[in-house]
Amino acid sequence: DGGITQSPKYLFRKEGQNVTLSCEQNLNHDAMYWYRQDPGQGLRLIYYSQIVNDFQKGDIAEGYSVSREKKESFPLTVTSAQKNPTAFYLCASSDDITPQSTDTQYFGPGTRLTVL
Amino acid sequence: QKEVEQDPGPLSVPEGAIVSLNCTYSNSAFQYFMWYRQYSRKGPELLMYTYSSGNKEDGRFTAQVDKSSKYISLFIRDSQPSDSATYLCAMKGTSYGKLTFGQGTILTVHP
Repeated sequence: DGGITQSPKYLFRKEGQNVTLSCEQNLNHDAMYWYRQDPGQGLRLIYYSQIVNDFQKGDIAEGYSVSREKKESFPLTVTSAQKNPTAFYLCASSDDITPQSTDTQYFGPGTRLTVL
Repeated sequence: QKEVEQDPGPLSVPEGAIVSLNCTYSNSAFQYFMWYRQYSRKGPELLMYTYSSGNKEDGRFTAQVDKSSKYISLFIRDSQPSDSATYLCAMKGTSYGKLTFGQGTILTVHP
């Protein structure tokens, strides 16, 4: 059963702590993405990776870091430098990364992060 | 000004109504247009995508693109309570890894 899994579903963090959100896909997709969703603001791109060992900053990368050591995994670390980390975090993957493609992205179920 | 504007609603309609959801955009480079549906506390799922101007139909859903006016729409016919969700428009130019999303419209279909 192919898909994207994210864990944990809910995460609580104390101020000053770093936390890592997991994203795994078994769709054999090359590209993976991290978005942040806040009420009334839609989805904003944090980081994306088109291939293993390579990733690019999105629109709101400050305070976040990622790695892409394996094709199927793209973990996101929310660092203490992120001033307002409470949000819903969505991971996505895509199987077609050419400029002329639709770049159809498939999403995981999300992780809700709350800073206490 | 945001590249993509979408009325956040909320929009409430009776069962069986025709629903119209809309987005406008300012970037002429956008070539691909998508609609995602997101149920509460879930990830978005792709409903439809279109490339050219015109209409594309899939069951009760019709996506419409007017590139000259920079305007896209999603129509839902015979709306059902199960259609209650947030609907997100998304669009892409010709660069890698860059989907730009609208804010999402919250739709409620009441029996």
